[in-house]
Parts: sequence; C-alpha cells; structure tokens
Amino acid sequence: AQSVSQHNHHVILSEAASLELGCNYSYGGTVNLFWYVQYPGQHLQLLLKYFSGDPLVKGIKGFEAEFIKSKFSFNLRKPSVQWSDTAEYFCAVGNNAGNMLTFGGGTRLMVKP
Amino acid sequence: EAQVTQNPRYLITVTGKKLTVTCSQNMNHEYMSWYRQDPGLGLRQIYYSMNVEVTDKGDVPEGYKVSRKEKRNFPLILESPSPNQTSLYFCASSARLGTDTQYFGPGTRLTVL
Repeated sequence: AQSVSQHNHHVILSEAASLELGCNYSYGGTVNLFWYVQYPGQHLQLLLKYFSGDPLVKGIKGFEAEFIKSKFSFNLRKPSVQWSDTAEYFCAVGNNAGNMLTFGGGTRLMVKP
Repeated sequence: EAQVTQNPRYLITVTGKKLTVTCSQNMNHEYMSWYRQDPGLGLRQIYYSMNVEVTDKGDVPEGYKVSRKEKRNFPLILESPSPNQTSLYFCASSARLGTDTQYFGPGTRLTVL
C-alpha cells in the first residue's frame, strides 16, 4: 500500500529564514505529487504539483519543490518565509490511474514576526 | 465561482444520533471524496466516488456511509456516531483522483459526546 511520510510535524522559524519541509513516499508505480496548504481557519488549497518533466516545480507564493525519484522524495522549499506563511502543509501522492490519492500527516509551520 | 460547499460547518451531537453532512460541488467533477483530519494523522480518506452511483472505500470507512445519487452531491452519513468520530471533516472534488487538483470544502467540525 502507498504511504506518505512528513517527518517534521512542527516547525518554527523566524521571518526571512529559509524553509525546507520533507516528504517521502512509498509507492511502486508512477506517481503524481502535490503540496497543499491550509491557512488558519481556511480550507486546503493547492500549492504546487508535479506530474512529469522538470523535477523542480515552482508554485504560488514563492514556494518550490524538488522531485528526487531515487530518494522517493518531494521536499518543499522557500528561500525566505513570511509571517503569512504560517499554516499547515500537506504532501500528497496520487497514481496515474487517477484512483488513488494519499496524504501525509502534515507539517504545522509557525513563522515568528 | 467554482466551489465545494459543506453543511453544517459545526456540529455537536450525542452518541448514537444519526447525522448527515452534506457536500455539493458546482464544477461538474467526476470524483468526490470525504476525508477526516486528525492531529498528527493528516488527512485520511473515508470514501470516494468516481461517478453517480459508484463509490468505494478509502482508508478509514468504518462507521460511515455515503451516497452519490447526483453528480454534484456527496453526503456523508454517520448512522450511529461515536466519540472516536469527533474530527474535522473535509469534502473534496476533482476531475480525477490521483492526477488532478483537489478542490476542498471549508470543513465540518464534528463533536460527538
């Protein structure tokens, strides 16, 4: 069965610090990878996604993620975080058949002003 | 405006009292899903539906029922709620499950006493 691991459950950073959130998955086939964000009091929304091609994917609000196939990883990065990035971040893995989507446990990020 | 709506947003009930959480989408999406979000466990899929009258179990279906009589609606039914079903519930819709962006509803916070 597929699984998704997000190793950092809680991260606290100061504004302007760099961010990297880990995501590793376990699945035997071709995968599609997603990062979703949930701002306080809001519903989840898509941050970025990777299907194929350039393994470095750029998303909204300055976020990017790199797919490293050999490491089964899809880490999320941002060079300089802002207070408004305080949120919970979820990595998700889907299959090409379009009938499976598994989420990780989430990482709660707090950015101190 | 493309959206997924859920009702109610908040619900407090007692053990054994049947309840229904409604979900509706206006994007003509084939797929709809229900998730529950619990601290440290991320989002776990309860049920999903690929089309009208076609549903399948997700990772944690016990204690839940769903139906898909119309394409736009996907209600979640708890026939006999128990305290371990206290959680935050999200409905989502997408064109396909593992390959397309999920559009999430605002969430329903359920407390079962």
